[in-house]
Amino acid sequence: GAVVSQHPSWVICKSGTSVKIECRSLDFQATTMFWYRQFPKQSLMLMATSNEGSKATYEQGVEKDKFLINHASLTLSTLTVTSAHPEDSSFYICSASGGGDSGANVLTFGAGSRLTVL
Amino acid sequence: GENVEQHPSTLSVQEGDSAVIKCTYSDSASNYFPWYKQELGKGPQLIIDIRSNVGEKKDQRIAVTLNKTAKHFSLHITETQPEDSAVYFCAASMRGGADGLTFGKGTHLIIQP
Repeated sequence: GAVVSQHPSWVICKSGTSVKIECRSLDFQATTMFWYRQFPKQSLMLMATSNEGSKATYEQGVEKDKFLINHASLTLSTLTVTSAHPEDSSFYICSASGGGDSGANVLTFGAGSRLTVL
Repeated sequence: GENVEQHPSTLSVQEGDSAVIKCTYSDSASNYFPWYKQELGKGPQLIIDIRSNVGEKKDQRIAVTLNKTAKHFSLHITETQPEDSAVYFCAASMRGGADGLTFGKGTHLIIQP
């Protein structure tokens, strides 16, 4: 089945530093990748949609200069949290579409990245 | 935009019993309804999905039903096992697939031995 690899699975950083999270589709080409944020015991909040080779589309209220998204290839998207602060601490999850049977447009999630900003 | 309501927020059932989680959606144009299972500290995993041209779909102990008229869909898990304990999310999309999914708030399913 379709696999999406997300790295790192957890990261701790100091306030003011930047953190990069990678999302890779391992056995399929993902034309579209999505980035979500999830607070404890909450649902997934879509942050942005990224298409290979074009600028990401951010959801309302998400700072694009704070959360930089790059989708340089059909198998890789990165999320960089710039100048991280404690309030950015969260569980970030990526997903990719295109990995279903016969190329069906289903969504496959990565395992998530837990960010803790001290 | 689409609004997805999910109930209950927590569901506790005895091992071996059935569990049912229900979702309603607001936009009649929605045509794709996946269900995801999320275990603690992990990303959600697709467990079953249904499209609007089908009323029911089954995969072993898991089934999903869709009532387009009432705009609701349900997840049914039979013969529950401890490993079914997790948070389950329903979602709806108007674009026939992964794009534009709106998620419910999740149901914490607890299987009691």
